[in-house]
Amino acid sequence: SQTIHQWPATLVQPVGSPLSLECTVEGTSNPNLYWYRQAAGRGLQLLFYSVGIGQISSEVPQNLSASRPQDRQFILSSKKLLLSDSGFYLCAWDRASNTGELFFGEGSRLTVL
Amino acid sequence: AQSVAQPEDQVNVAEGNPLTVKCTYSVSGNPYLFWYVQYPNRGLQFLLKYITGDNLVKGSYGFEAEFNKSQTSFHLKKPSALVSDSALYFCAVRAPGGSYIPTFGRGTSLIVHP
Repeated sequence: SQTIHQWPATLVQPVGSPLSLECTVEGTSNPNLYWYRQAAGRGLQLLFYSVGIGQISSEVPQNLSASRPQDRQFILSSKKLLLSDSGFYLCAWDRASNTGELFFGEGSRLTVL
Repeated sequence: AQSVAQPEDQVNVAEGNPLTVKCTYSVSGNPYLFWYVQYPNRGLQFLLKYITGDNLVKGSYGFEAEFNKSQTSFHLKKPSALVSDSALYFCAVRAPGGSYIPTFGRGTSLIVHP
């Protein structure tokens, strides 16, 4: 069966520090991968999505970046965090057929102080 | 462009009563529709989906949803609410043949009172 792992689960970082959140999927190949941010426990904001290794599409201009170094690995990064980067970050995947549901990780809670 | 509306920020219902969480959509062509649930500090979990076929779709935890093409709606329902159903619910749509990126509603907080 397929599983998705996301870490770290919680992170407290000072303003200006770097960030790296990692997501890996097991049990499938060539998934579409997504990074979402959820602020204040409500709506989802799509940050990045990827249809393959090295293929990243950005939905929202910001100081975040994403990379997909391997087929089932998706990394969210920042060189210098801002206070506004605080939030709940969710990684998700779905099958390349694009017709089904998304499968979400358990999320990473980032607090920037 | 595709869009999803969840007109209620919060729905309150007494335990044992039926519940409805509303969702309307806008998409070109036939939609693929989804409901997800999110418990506090957790990721979203898939509940059910409509792709084609019977307009009444049954999903996890006793939930069901009815696809209504004329009203462009996909409301989530449960005959008898449980306190443990209290959570945040998201409706989503994706359009085959168009952008495959799912569009999510803003979410509806369901509170079931004992």
